[in-house]
Amino acid sequence: AIQLTQSPSSLSASVGDRVTITCRASQGISSALAWYQQKPGKAPKLLIYDASSLESGVPSRFSGSGSGTDFTLTISSLQPEDFATYYCQQFNSYPPLTFGGGTKVEIK
Amino acid sequence: EVQLVESGGGLVQPGGSLRLSCAASGFTFSSYAMSWVRQAPGKGLEWVSAISGSGGSTYYADSVKGRFTISRDNSKNTLYLQMNSLRAEDTAVYYCAKDARISDILTGYYLGWGQGTLVTVSS
Repeated sequence: AIQLTQSPSSLSASVGDRVTITCRASQGISSALAWYQQKPGKAPKLLIYDASSLESGVPSRFSGSGSGTDFTLTISSLQPEDFATYYCQQFNSYPPLTFGGGTKVEIK
Repeated sequence: EVQLVESGGGLVQPGGSLRLSCAASGFTFSSYAMSWVRQAPGKGLEWVSAISGSGGSTYYADSVKGRFTISRDNSKNTLYLQMNSLRAEDTAVYYCAKDARISDILTGYYLGWGQGTLVTVSS
């Protein structure tokens, strides 16, 4: 199974900060990576697919990059509504589909 | 608007069984693969199982293979997860999730999630 390692597991940031989250795959997955945002008590929400494609309706401050084994999610200017937990997920090879361990973005 | 509504969760003893349902609306159900994803309390997301749009292909995580069965009734726009031989480590919120792309085969990422149903396995 392909393992996804996210870093950091948590971070503290201020409104307006630029935030970068990393996801590393245990083997190459081309660009078959998605990013989700999850708020407490809610279902995940798709932000990015195919590593860098922005899902419709998602603010342009979110961006994704990478291919192969190394990927990043960047929030260019953190907004109050962005405080949440973020997950990467690979869909290159299954079963199983796999998620990263999550990155919790908290208010500094 | 895509709507996915899970039901069937609850408290069950170890070794017991439950059947989860996910009622879908707002899209052509049979045109999309569907999955179950779970989240243990305070933990991350774990993919559990998936099924193609026609129901002809099914996939399972090793942790549930042989115990859980995914199925769908396209005439009723409903996805199911039959869970047998439940263990404490199966305790989680179970989400049904709709594949992001229209295709019979599994694309594997999700645009559309239910609100989740909590399964608690405890004596």
